[in-house]
Amino acid sequence: GESVGLHLPTLSVQEGDNSIINCAYSNSASDYFIWYKQESGKGPQFIIDIRSNMDKRQGQRVTVLLNKTVKHLSLQIAATQPGDSAVYFCAESRHEKLTFGTGTRLTIIP
Amino acid sequence: GAVVSQHPSWVICKSGTSVKIECRSLDFQATTMFWYRQFPKQSLMLMATSNEGSKATYEQGVEKDKFLINHASLTLSTLTVTSAHPEDSSFYICSQIRGAENEQFFGPGTRLTVL
Repeated sequence: GESVGLHLPTLSVQEGDNSIINCAYSNSASDYFIWYKQESGKGPQFIIDIRSNMDKRQGQRVTVLLNKTVKHLSLQIAATQPGDSAVYFCAESRHEKLTFGTGTRLTIIP
Repeated sequence: GAVVSQHPSWVICKSGTSVKIECRSLDFQATTMFWYRQFPKQSLMLMATSNEGSKATYEQGVEKDKFLINHASLTLSTLTVTSAHPEDSSFYICSQIRGAENEQFFGPGTRLTVL
């Protein structure tokens, strides 16, 4: 996983636009990846997951893309809404243990 | 609705005291639960894996004598922060794995402030 830093990357998006949040992972042996949304003062909430035998998975308004060649994961949120404001974490799973990325704070501009 | 609960949601204690945090599975028997710690504006860091009926497995750098974990039943795991110090102030979150897809569900977290 990524090293933990004190400065949380931020992304500001106009309401209604699409958001793309990126994540790089380090362990090529990881076979399961998850995106979580964390609102202030709350625990992480599952958004979408993808296994290493896939390169794309779609949910409701969200799409996860996995590029194993460059060890990159992205989360696309369509038609971003004010309720999407939160910190988004990618996580890689190996033997049921999760390693979280640094996180990205998504801010929606009205 | 919530599937994992934590109690208390926040706690303030004096330096040197011990604090117990509970993690309950509301409708599922979890043989394995996980404990994470999250400092402000940082990511979640796995502290330990709590196994029902056996000793917890701690991650490197986490003191097992300071962070006591007890998983005495399939629905309850507790984390006790012993002799707490201000640097232990953090957001403590538990999780459990459920379902055929091994999805991990997180509790709402416990904010610990040590004065």
